[in-house]
Amino acid sequence: KNQVEQSPQSLIILEGKNCTLQCNYTVSPFSNLRWYKQDTGRGPVSLTIMTFSENTKSNGRYTATLDADTKQSSLHITASQLSDSASYICVVSARGNNNDMRFGAGTRLTVKP
Amino acid sequence: DTAVSQTPKYLVTQMGNDKSIKCEQNLGHDTMYWYKQDSKKFLKIMFSYNNKELIINETVPNRFSPKSPDKAHLNLHINSLELGDSAVYFCASSPTRTGLASETQYFGPGTRLLVL
Repeated sequence: KNQVEQSPQSLIILEGKNCTLQCNYTVSPFSNLRWYKQDTGRGPVSLTIMTFSENTKSNGRYTATLDADTKQSSLHITASQLSDSASYICVVSARGNNNDMRFGAGTRLTVKP
Repeated sequence: DTAVSQTPKYLVTQMGNDKSIKCEQNLGHDTMYWYKQDSKKFLKIMFSYNNKELIINETVPNRFSPKSPDKAHLNLHINSLELGDSAVYFCASSPTRTGLASETQYFGPGTRLLVL
């Protein structure tokens, strides 16, 4: 079982609407959690990075939340645009010498006009 | 002004061949990585190099050998290619070591490898 589970697997929304993507993890001991956006055919691009003490982080229309007690994070996208169509990947790092990173499978978001 | 570049972008080859993928970063970062993204879109780290020294070597077949001639380059050589090696390989870099709160990884565009 993957230590980072994302839901939904895929999501279709209309342009202008908001959406929320979920990430649950079991990685321990926790170091930080990142959200990446990966456009089709491109490499992932970092959106947010949060440590244990941070429970929210914004980057433009993207807002990530973290509940370290329940080991859950969400990525909220406001006023979606066609260019938001991409895969969104949750990555959780464990504390340690190698800072082990565990990747979720991603949520495939499609924004339609 | 490409930050992390990879060559080639596409690679189609026969089973049993040996091939190399090159990666270069012009960000002045100390750490570089190789990731494999399979057909299910899972990204898995393969190797991490910090200042030309191997710091992470996940369980990958020894047919995969990373080579770092200097801290701006991390090449991936694959011997005796197998069908299961077909995937997208991403190179990335970060300023120091990943996992630090301030660290952001910068990914290259990926190399799509297809083994026939």
